[in-house]
Amino acid sequence: QVQLVESGGGVVQPGTSLRLSCAASGFTFHAYAMHWVRQAPGKGLEWVSVISHDGNNIYYGDSVKGRFTISRDNSKNTLFLQMNSLRAEDTAMYYCAKVIDLWNGCDYWGQGTLVTVSS
Amino acid sequence: QSALTQPPSASGSPGQSVTISCTGTTSDVGGYNYVSWYQQHPGKAPKLIIYEVTKRPSGVPDRFSGSKSGNTASLTVSGLQAEDEADYYCYSYAGSNRFCVFGTGTKVTVL
Repeated sequence: QVQLVESGGGVVQPGTSLRLSCAASGFTFHAYAMHWVRQAPGKGLEWVSVISHDGNNIYYGDSVKGRFTISRDNSKNTLFLQMNSLRAEDTAMYYCAKVIDLWNGCDYWGQGTLVTVSS
Repeated sequence: QSALTQPPSASGSPGQSVTISCTGTTSDVGGYNYVSWYQQHPGKAPKLIIYEVTKRPSGVPDRFSGSKSGNTASLTVSGLQAEDEADYYCYSYAGSNRFCVFGTGTKVTVL
């Protein structure tokens, strides 16, 4: 069965960096685009970034553009999110999710990893 | 990136139907048939319940149905059950500039 397991979250100070990982199993990872989606405490879902199956096409939401970098290692079935210059408003649960296809939504989601940015 | 507009709340008694709207623009909902809906219970990850406007993933009850007219998509939950009480979010592809956008979310209460 499809499993997505995020890791790397924690409490960090503003201005610092953090790298999230998402270990995928149960499907052909290299055949699917992957998203990062976040949810601030008590708030709605916010799309962060998407990467195509081969890593050649990448898109970011306006709030993270220039600070976050999405990448993937298809040999290790792992998705990454490098987050730099973190701000208090980046505090959220971060989910990785597998797409149905590139333009469609996501059919499988991980349980999330919590990032707290606080001084 | 402006979120798609959903009503903050909706409610119905067990057995009744509730319909949630999701309003966007011609650049997202109105321009593509890539609208999906997610159900999220407290403390849980979102779950896909509708994709490509009207399609249901395997295992999702046929009480859930989707539609679209112009720039507004809708999710209808028929025969409401207690376990349908959750937050619901719409999602739309938005082209190569914005890529995609979520709705603001709707809390459904089963009275």
